[in-house]
Amino acid sequence: SQKIEQNSEALNIQEGKTATLTCNYTNYSPAYLQWYRQDPGRGPVFLLLIRENEKEKRKERLKVTFDTTLKQSLFHITASQPADSATYLCALAGLGSSNTGKLIFGQGTTLQVKP
Amino acid sequence: DSGVTQTPKHLITATGQRVTLRCSPRSGDLSVYWYQQSLDQGLQFLIQYYNGEERAKGNILERFSAQQFPDLHSELNLSSLELGDSALYFCASSVSAGVSNEQFFGPGTRLTVL
Repeated sequence: SQKIEQNSEALNIQEGKTATLTCNYTNYSPAYLQWYRQDPGRGPVFLLLIRENEKEKRKERLKVTFDTTLKQSLFHITASQPADSATYLCALAGLGSSNTGKLIFGQGTTLQVKP
Repeated sequence: DSGVTQTPKHLITATGQRVTLRCSPRSGDLSVYWYQQSLDQGLQFLIQYYNGEERAKGNILERFSAQQFPDLHSELNLSSLELGDSALYFCASSVSAGVSNEQFFGPGTRLTVL
């Protein structure tokens, strides 16, 4: 069956450390993978997009990798701050041959950065 | 603020009733998406419209329907409501219809069915 798995347990780290979040998927072949941030009671906010032929993408303190062989994406936040505390969602896009914006989301990982 | 607006913010209704959720996309965006978020199912894609036409469909129930109007705003109609329909409903928009677009999400409508 098709699955997207993100760490279900909350990730607690100390301020200044690097947070690494994992997104694994099974029986999907996404052309793109996106990461979103969601704060409680609010809509998700887009962070990064990576294509299947890209290994790595960076934006300021954020880095995402995409390994289509392992069917895995890693999302890193360097020099983490308490303001980075939120739930992070990975989303698969470009599934099948259709060119639509349909996104399939993982359940999300909650990150807690302690001062 | 993403530029996407949704009304109402909260909606409380009874089983068997029908409700309409409204969404206005960001200025210039032609594509609108609807998602449902519940604690047990996570964020689920319902449907996408692009410039007034249905573009993609997810596991949207037959009791649910949507449309996008000429001014590009969209409405999601939920009928014969059940307790399990209680959830946060998000609208998102993007510039075009394709796979490589980032999506801008609205603040959501919290639906409670009693």
